[in-house]
Amino acid sequence: GAGVSQSPSNKVTEKGKDVELRCDPISGHTALYWYRQSLGQGLEFLIYFQGNSAPDKSGLPSDRFSAERTGGSVSTLTIQRTQQEDSAVYLCASSLVRTANNEQFFGPGTRLTVL
Amino acid sequence: DQQVKQNSPSLSVQEGRISILNCDYTNSMFDYFLWYKKYPAEGPTFLISISSIKDKNEDGRFTVFLNKSAKHLSLHIVPSQPGDSAVYFCAASDLPAGTALIFGKGTTLSVSS
Repeated sequence: GAGVSQSPSNKVTEKGKDVELRCDPISGHTALYWYRQSLGQGLEFLIYFQGNSAPDKSGLPSDRFSAERTGGSVSTLTIQRTQQEDSAVYLCASSLVRTANNEQFFGPGTRLTVL
Repeated sequence: DQQVKQNSPSLSVQEGRISILNCDYTNSMFDYFLWYKKYPAEGPTFLISISSIKDKNEDGRFTVFLNKSAKHLSLHIVPSQPGDSAVYFCAASDLPAGTALIFGKGTTLSVSS
C-alpha cells in the first residue's frame, strides 16, 4: 500500500499492562510523527523522528511513554504500565524532509482502550 | 492553553449551500495553516493549506481565507455535498517542515440532502 499503515487497529488492555503500537510510514518519508487524540480533543503531538537525528520527545506526557524508529522506517510506540487516561486513538504521520506547508500524511490510527 | 481554537463543535448545512468553518490562533509565530478532514475510523486527510504570505487559497470547492491581523482563518466549502460530512481540523505550524502541527479540537460538519 502507498499510505501510512498502523497496527493493531484496536487494542484493549488492562490497567498496568504494557502495549506496543506500530507504524509503517510512506516509503521515502524520512519524517515520522506520533500524535494522540483523546475523546473530544484535537490531535496532541507526542514525538517526532527525522532521519538519524535525535528524536523530539517534547510531547511525551510521562516517562511511561517511549518510541523508537528502527532503520529509519518502522516506528514503535510503547506505553508501559498503562493507565485509563492513556485511552485514546494513537495516530502516526509521515512526511518528506522538505515540504511547502508541513503537510503530514496520517495513518488510520490505533484505538487503545485501557480497562 | 489552546494555541489553535475551533469554537464551533458542530455545523449543520443543507446540500448546495455554503459551509463556513472558523479557526482562531494565538501564536503569532505560526506561518502555515492546514485543514484536515476526518471520517470515523480513518486518519485525517489533508484538504488545503495556506501560508502567511497569502490571504486566500482556492482548490475547487474549497477556499481558505487568512486574516493575520485578526489571527483568524476560515474554510469555505461551496457547494456543500453530503459526502463533505466529516470532522474538520484546523492545524498550524511555525515552520514549513520538521515540526509538530498544532491542532484545534475540530468541527463536525453535517450536510443534509
